[in-house]
Formats: sequence, C-alpha cells, structure tokens
Amino acid sequence: GAGVSQSPSNKVTEKGKDVELRCDPISGHTALYWYRQSLGQGLEFLIYFQGNSAPDKSGLPSDRFSAERTGGSVSTLTIQRTQQEDSAVYLCASSLRGFGALAGVSNEQFFGPGTRLTVL
Amino acid sequence: AQKVTQAQTEISVVEKEDVTLDCVYETRDTTYYLFWYKQPPSGELVFLIRRNSFDEQNEISGRYSWNFQKSTSSFNFTITASQVVDSAVYFCALSEGNYGQNFVFGPGTRLSVLP
Repeated sequence: GAGVSQSPSNKVTEKGKDVELRCDPISGHTALYWYRQSLGQGLEFLIYFQGNSAPDKSGLPSDRFSAERTGGSVSTLTIQRTQQEDSAVYLCASSLRGFGALAGVSNEQFFGPGTRLTVL
Repeated sequence: AQKVTQAQTEISVVEKEDVTLDCVYETRDTTYYLFWYKQPPSGELVFLIRRNSFDEQNEISGRYSWNFQKSTSSFNFTITASQVVDSAVYFCALSEGNYGQNFVFGPGTRLSVLP
C-alpha cells in the first residue's frame, strides 16, 4: 500500500511569501504529526492531529505557522510571510493511533520523504 | 522544563559488537512518552519505539532492546551484534501529556559501525 506522501518535495521561495506544504497520510491512520529539521535547530516537533483536531498548537514556532487537517486525511501546513529561519526539511508522519493509545504497533509512526523548504 | 540529554555525541564500534546509546530525560509530568528515532545517512527519519510513562516494561525487538528506568530517568537503547546498516544518527525524544505537548528531541548520537 501507499506510504506517507508529501508535496512538494522541494520548495524555494522568497522571504515574505506564503507557502503551503501538504501531507497525505496512510489511509486509516487517525494520528498525524508534523516535524521539521534544520541545521540550526535540529529536530523539532510542530503539531499533532488526532483525527481533524489538533489539541495543542504550542509547538508551532510562531503565529505565522498554521496547520489543518480535513476529512481525517490530508493535512496542510501553511507558513505565512516566510523568513529565512523557516528554511528546513518539513517532515510529516502518521500512525494508526496516537497519544493515549497503549504501546504497540498501533502507535508506530511512518514518515514521509519530507519537503525541503528554502527561503531566500 | 522538560529536557532530553544524549551525552554521547559520536560512537564508533566494530561490527558484531554490542552498543548502548544513553538517553536521560527530565520532566515533572506523570504522563509522558519517550521515543527513539533513527536517521540513516540517506536522511529519512525512521520511528523505532514509543514508551508510555505508565509502562516501564522493557522491550526487545530483534537485535534492538530498550531499558526504561524511571528511577534514573533513563531510556537507553542497546543494539546487539551491531551491523554496518545500523550506522545512523539516533534521536531520543520526550513528549509530555497526551497531545504532544512540550515535545523535545535530544541532540542525537551518531553511531558508526565499522566492518
């Protein structure tokens, strides 16, 4: 079956522009996660969705970042007025169940290939 | 504040040796989750394990095993009979609560397994 897909794979944008990053999770996975990895900040967790709901958004770096998930499936991470420090690889993962579920294969996260964002 | 320490920046072992990667965490929450991830040279991130704070049982998966000890706030990862394909950066992470709050990664340990 298909894994987690992300688009675009690469995005180069100018400072101040808005960008949208898309994640298509594995079908049937209720939990979805966004992370990013940059040279300066290492690995960072951004946000977690259980179904269409993101109970905690405090991991988003600033109010320029927003994320939504519709139909319990596709998720979009939007960055408004991009800054150079937003340059990073943005990673999406999904799992059958999320936080709160008992340990086991249901919480195994499957990662997409990432979107490399470069802000000039 | 929550924190994850991976004191070993880089480790080199010869193939077939056992190796333990250390992870020490700090949290005031009673509900939290601990994770290990692998990032091979190709760059993709691979999930290895998640443990819940209320389940201190150790786990073994093939050559991999994890030792979760609340008494020492540690969640160490051991690879038995290491192989060259185990060469990667390994990240330990901590999340508090049930919604991914205060999710932090350690700085990672780069493991090189030499043939």
